[in-house]
Amino acid sequence: SQQGEEDPQALSIQEGENATMNCSYKTSINNLQWYRQNSGRGLVHLILIRSNEREKHSGRLRVTLDTSKKSSSLLITASRAADTASYFCATALTGNQFYFGTGTSLTVIP
Amino acid sequence: DAGITQSPRHKVTETGTPVTLRCHQTENHRYMYWYRQDPGHGLRLIHYSYGVKDTDKGEVSDGYSVSRSKTEDFLLTLESATSSQTSVYFCATTGTGDGYTFGSGTRLTVV
Repeated sequence: SQQGEEDPQALSIQEGENATMNCSYKTSINNLQWYRQNSGRGLVHLILIRSNEREKHSGRLRVTLDTSKKSSSLLITASRAADTASYFCATALTGNQFYFGTGTSLTVIP
Repeated sequence: DAGITQSPRHKVTETGTPVTLRCHQTENHRYMYWYRQDPGHGLRLIHYSYGVKDTDKGEVSDGYSVSRSKTEDFLLTLESATSSQTSVYFCATTGTGDGYTFGSGTRLTVV
């Protein structure tokens, strides 16, 4: 399976702190994406990083990709209570099929 | 999620009955997908479509069928529901491949 694996499975931090979660995958990819899921809702696309990119920023989000280690990290800076959610990485081998990991559950304590 | 509507939002059905879930999009996206989400398994791809009447199997397709007669509609049918198909089902679409747009999900309980 192409499925990625997020680490840690759960993370609890204080508001204002930074949150880092990691994703490892098994085979070469075309791109990697991160999604957020609030409880009881669908997933929301956060950011995409292509295999030829090493780092990408979007607002308070910073994503890195290390294709030699087959891993990616998502950093959320200055976290807020509203960032409480589950975060998933999704990898695309080719085309338009994405494989999802099991997610990191982030709790930001006010 | 305004461009994707899943129906019903919740359903309870009996073992052995057929069930159809509907996904309707207004995005005019070519690609549509059905995933199921279960604790400990993340999201797993059931079936996907790359155009009208063009569909293919995902990693957990047994017991499911799909149809796409129009660009905007993608139907998922559980031919004979089993308790193992109790799950939350998500529809997703993409046009360019630069990220999915997800529906709000259908929570299905098979009793």
